[in-house]
Amino acid sequence: NAGVTQTPKFQVLKTGQSMTLQCAQDMNHEYMSWYRQDPGMGLRLIHYSVGAGITDQGEVPNGYNVSRSTTEDFPLRLLSAAPSQTSVYFCASSRQGGYGYTFGSGTRLTVV
Amino acid sequence: AQTVTQSQPEMSVQEAETVTLSCTYDTSESDYYLFWYKQPPSRQMILVIRQEAYKQQNATENRFSVNFQKAAKSFSLKISDSQLGDAAMYFCAYYSGGGADGLTFGKGTHLIIQP
Repeated sequence: NAGVTQTPKFQVLKTGQSMTLQCAQDMNHEYMSWYRQDPGMGLRLIHYSVGAGITDQGEVPNGYNVSRSTTEDFPLRLLSAAPSQTSVYFCASSRQGGYGYTFGSGTRLTVV
Repeated sequence: AQTVTQSQPEMSVQEAETVTLSCTYDTSESDYYLFWYKQPPSRQMILVIRQEAYKQQNATENRFSVNFQKAAKSFSLKISDSQLGDAAMYFCAYYSGGGADGLTFGKGTHLIIQP
């Protein structure tokens, strides 16, 4: 019973590099979303999806891209990493948002 | 846009005592959901309790209960018989689906349990 799986758990990038944070869920949830957590800021919504082929922007989308080609996967792409993107990133899924989201274990990303 | 405010950056309670964490929110929606999430040092986000705005009855999950005051836009979490394992960051979160389909979080309250 894997739930929401995020990889990698830790990553160090150099400024300007690109990378993809992976997120997969095995609960057949339609709703998926990405958050970043910064000290003293709580979690903020980056992008979300309500089903395969449907994505939209959240509160802090700049510098990130997403796609949803399958129900299971929702990768987050950093196009050109900046130090301001140093954060902990969480992926979450839900069968419908009002039921609450199940979170992955997070990815700690450092951009130097 | 909806906002969620947690006015207590840190709270401390003696083991076995009761503690209440505060949360207020701002919204123009009438149908929404509220949550409390726990984040222990492991970093995992754990759903503690959920409240549907159209239900007047306060949600309860074992030692955790909420005081939901819809008119006041207040949603506090009460932890009874506090245990050492309750030590964590607690986040209040809001969901309506009327705007972005994701959660809006408060900044969190760090709960310390004194043995």
